[in-house]
Amino acid sequence: EAGVTQFPSHSVIEKGQTVTLRCDPISGHDNLYWYRRVMGKEIKFLLHFVKESKQDESGMPNNRFLAERTGGTYSTLKVQPAELEDSGVYFCASSQEWLATYTQYFGPGTRLTVL
Amino acid sequence: AQSVTQLDSHVSVSEGTPVLLRCNYSSSYSPSLFWYVQHPNKGLQLLLKYTSAATLVKGINGFEAEFKKSETSFHLTKPSAHMSDAAEYFCVVRGNNNDMRFGAGTRLTVKP
Repeated sequence: EAGVTQFPSHSVIEKGQTVTLRCDPISGHDNLYWYRRVMGKEIKFLLHFVKESKQDESGMPNNRFLAERTGGTYSTLKVQPAELEDSGVYFCASSQEWLATYTQYFGPGTRLTVL
Repeated sequence: AQSVTQLDSHVSVSEGTPVLLRCNYSSSYSPSLFWYVQHPNKGLQLLLKYTSAATLVKGINGFEAEFKKSETSFHLTKPSAHMSDAAEYFCVVRGNNNDMRFGAGTRLTVKP
C-alpha cells in the first residue's frame, strides 16, 4: 500500500511568487491534514479536510493560503503571494477516520524556501 | 488545552547504551499521546501511541513509552541504541479537534 505522497519535495521561489503544493493521501482515507514547520519552531496544524469539506481550518495563518480538495482525493495548498516567513516544511497527513484511535500517517513533506 | 513539552532538544548516546527521550504533557482530560520519528529526508513515522489502554506501550524498533499520569509524562525509551536510531523524535498529543500538537522535537545522535 502506497503511503502519503507529496509533491514537490523541494521548492525555491522568490517573494511575491505563487507556489502550489500537492498531497496525495493513502487511498480510502477520507481525512486529510496539512501541517507546517517553520524554521526553529514546532510542527503546527494548518487544516483538516473530511472528504472535500474543510472540517477545521483554524491553523491557517492568513488569507494568502488556500487549500482545496476537489473530489475528496488529493489536496493542494497554494500560497499566493509567498512571503519570506512562509519558508519551512509543509507536511500532509491522512487517516481513515478522525477518532482519536486512528493514526495519522504523514508524508515526507515539501521544503519551501522563499527568497 | 492539550500540549506537550520535550525536555531535551538534543540527546547523544553511544551505540548499545540506553536511550531516554523525555516528554511531559498537559491535558484537561485523558490524552491520546504519540511518538513519531523523522529520519533525514523521510516522512514522519509513527513509533507508538497511547490511547488510554495499557500504560506501557510497545512500539516499533524496540522502543517503548510509559504513560505516567501522576508525573504527566510519556517518556520514550529503548534499552540499546543502534546507529540507525539517529533521527529527530517528536512527542505529540491529540488536540480537541483531533489536530496533532507537536513538541519541539529531540534530535538523537548515536555515537559508534
